[in-house]
Amino acid sequence: KQEVTQIPAALSVPEGENLVLNCSFTDSAIYNLQWFRQDPGKGLTSLLLIQSSQREQTSGRLNASLDKSSGRSTLYIAASQPGDSATYLCAVKRENRDDKIIFGKGTRLHILP
Amino acid sequence: DVKVTQSSRYLVKRTGEKVFLECVQDMDHENMFWYRQDPGLGLRLIYFSYDVKMKEKGDIPEGYSVSREKKERFSLILESASTNQTSMYLCASASGEGRGYTFGSGTRLTVV
Repeated sequence: KQEVTQIPAALSVPEGENLVLNCSFTDSAIYNLQWFRQDPGKGLTSLLLIQSSQREQTSGRLNASLDKSSGRSTLYIAASQPGDSATYLCAVKRENRDDKIIFGKGTRLHILP
Repeated sequence: DVKVTQSSRYLVKRTGEKVFLECVQDMDHENMFWYRQDPGLGLRLIYFSYDVKMKEKGDIPEGYSVSREKKERFSLILESASTNQTSMYLCASASGEGRGYTFGSGTRLTVV
């Protein structure tokens, strides 16, 4: 059974720092991995989608990497800003016809001004 | 801009009421999903649908049903609302081609 873990559950860093959020999964047979952002009381916003054949994806100050063999993904945020404060969730789609995805419980990020 | 629209941001209902949560997507996606999100429990899949009139149970279907009469609309139904169904409900859609999920803005349901 696929399990997705995000550690730490919460993280506070000073503004301007570069930071890395971690996501691990137990079954390497994934189709893709998606990173989301969620602001309090809101829905999920897709940040980056990495297909299983890719190693990384970039969007602005965000860079997501994928290492299927080790069951890990990281989300790198450069030059963090207070507006980056949110919960970040990763989710993996299994390598089958089923389009369901498995979520981690997220990392709650607080950027200190 | 592509969208998944949930009809209500906030709802307050009484115990025993029948509750309808509506979700509409404009991306012509085949697949649609309903999740609930609770502190400490994360997102849990309630029901999903791969096509019109098709539905599949997720991890926690008890107390819920769904309807998908048109491709763009997926409704979640609480037949008789209970206080333990107080939660944030999130709808999502996906193309089925591995292009990722798009979520709606969520409905915060309180059952009193």
